[in-house]
Amino acid sequence: EAGVAQSPRYKIIEKRQSVAFWCNPISGHATLYWYQQILGQGPKLLIQFQNNGVVDDSQLPKDRFSAERLKGVDSTLKIQPAKLEDSAVYLCASSSLWRTTSGANVLTFGAGSRLTVL
Amino acid sequence: GDSVTQMEGPVTLSEEAFLTINCTYTATGYPSLFWYVQYPGEGLQLLLKATKADDKGSNKGFEATYRKETTSFHLEKGSVQVSDSAVYFCAQWALDSNYQLIWGAGTKLIIKP
Repeated sequence: EAGVAQSPRYKIIEKRQSVAFWCNPISGHATLYWYQQILGQGPKLLIQFQNNGVVDDSQLPKDRFSAERLKGVDSTLKIQPAKLEDSAVYLCASSSLWRTTSGANVLTFGAGSRLTVL
Repeated sequence: GDSVTQMEGPVTLSEEAFLTINCTYTATGYPSLFWYVQYPGEGLQLLLKATKADDKGSNKGFEATYRKETTSFHLEKGSVQVSDSAVYFCAQWALDSNYQLIWGAGTKLIIKP
């Protein structure tokens, strides 16, 4: 089965510019996550979708970050305007289960999009 | 609140050495526990998991046992290889976390030939 696809893999922008990241989850996976991973830290959940609805966006800086998942498949994460502290790897993950803490609920991650803000 | 604590890295070992990476958790109840691995330039991938006390997860020569009495899930491997060099993350599905995975900070492992 194809994995989680993300693009671009690398992006360098100036502060105050905008950037968008794209994610295509595993086919049939209804739950999609965007994580921010700063160097040397564990992933931080930004937003979680169930199909095309937002389940949790409590840690998304909504003044500059936005995300959508039209038609419940692909998703886009946008940052506008970017700040220096947004430099990180943005990871997309998907899973076939929802609202369960069962061990069967395993996330599959994409390779990530590395953002550098200058 | 729920949390996961891992030993700080980097951990540097010679090839064929024994590996232990410590992970302890605080949680309500008995959460499912996971080890994910991140190889250089790649995303995270599941290494192993355990869903109840005394369960042992294993994969690729790595093992971890769910110890409820010590709230630990330490990762072990008897003989590491250079190809095991990566960052290892311990994580739990916390029962009261609004269905979020709680992550440790990661432990970087460096294996020297």
